[in-house]
Order: sequence, then structure tokens, then C-alpha cells
Amino acid sequence: SQQGEEDPQALSIQEGENATMNCSYKTSINNLQWYRQNSGRGLVHLILIRSNEREKHSGRLRVTLDTSKKSSSLLITASRAADTASYFCATGSGGSNYKLTFGKGTLLTVNP
Amino acid sequence: NAGVTQTPKFRVLKTGQSMTLLCAQDMNHEYMYWYRQDPGMGLRLIHYSVGEGTTAKGEVPDGYNVSRLKKQNFLLGLESAAPSQTSVYFCASTRGPGTGDNQPQHFGDGTRLSIL
Repeated sequence: SQQGEEDPQALSIQEGENATMNCSYKTSINNLQWYRQNSGRGLVHLILIRSNEREKHSGRLRVTLDTSKKSSSLLITASRAADTASYFCATGSGGSNYKLTFGKGTLLTVNP
Repeated sequence: NAGVTQTPKFRVLKTGQSMTLLCAQDMNHEYMYWYRQDPGMGLRLIHYSVGEGTTAKGEVPDGYNVSRLKKQNFLLGLESAAPSQTSVYFCASTRGPGTGDNQPQHFGDGTRLSIL
């Protein structure tokens, strides 16, 4: 069963705009991670936010976590065509410290 | 550093044939995983291993077997392939215990498997 669910399923924006993707989950977590997948490639880890953190930044990425609402958001600022990819959230739950459960992903298209 | 390498990259099988997918990692990671990715389904965990000589079932293990005889290698076997096993298979690895909960996973580029 899916733990994380991303929203929207697909997002199309123009280069330079910001892109926001959301993730909701169901059970308590140790941390939440975001991954990017370019077409035909494997997933690449972007950022990890722990359950006791509320916000984290990495370059043009900003992730927030609201454990009371069981939700997270990924913001990509000043998007580029190269940001076109699928983005997945993944949660690590308290019952397992080595397994992740992935959502179904958001397909982001950045138009030049 | 190659990271995680999967072979083969593509394969077409006939129903009932068998094959083995190989995953190799050069990062000395303790944990390794096999996932399948289907349209609209995200990634689903097939089997995983928490160390050399160990394996465990994931979310969708039926029809697959695995072995971890060497720490750097994790093999996924299909004994009798079925069309429902047409998918893209990803291997991943992560560091072992004592390095913190749920560490980031490193993925290979996948094996695209079609079963006719």
C-alpha cells in the first residue's frame, strides 16, 4: 500500500516560475525524502527532512514538513527546463529503519 | 565510482522463461532492495536484504526470488516469467545500521523487462 501520495499528479509550468508539489502520508514517520527521476533513469535523492524538522533548504529546493497534518511540500524556485522530471516523496516509518515507501509521483514539465 | 549498476538494461522474454537480473554496488552498502515500477503505481518493493546472506519479502514478492551471496551483489530471479511481470525493475542500496534511520537510497538506472 502507498504511504505517500503526491499532488498534483502532473504539473506544467514555464521556465522561471516556481513549482510546488505536495505529499501526504498516513502513519508516523522517521523522516521524509524527496527524489527526482528523469525519463529513462533511476531515482536520485534530493533532500531528507527529519520528523523533528519543519523546513529545509538545498539550493533552489525548499521542503516543508507538517507532522500534525501528515504532509510535506517541495518547492522548486526559478525552475529550468532541466528540472523536467518526476518527483517522488518517500517515507521511512518508525516500524522499519531501513525501508522506504514511495508515492506515485508528480510529473513536472518545465516549458522553455 | 559506478554506484549501483544493473544488468541487463533491456530484455524481452517469452512466458514461462526464466532469467536473473543482476545488481552490483561499489559503495560497501549493507542494505539492498529490488523494486518494480509500473505506470500509475509508483515504486513497489519486491524483496530486500539487510546484509550478506540475508533476504526478506517486500510488498510484492510473489513470482520472484532473490539471493545475496556477496555483499556487493543482489540478484533477482524470475523462475517462470508471466506477462504481469512486465515492468521496469530498479535496484537500490543504502548504508547499514548505526548510520541513522532510513538513509537515502541510491538507485541503478533500471532493467526494462517485457514478457510476451
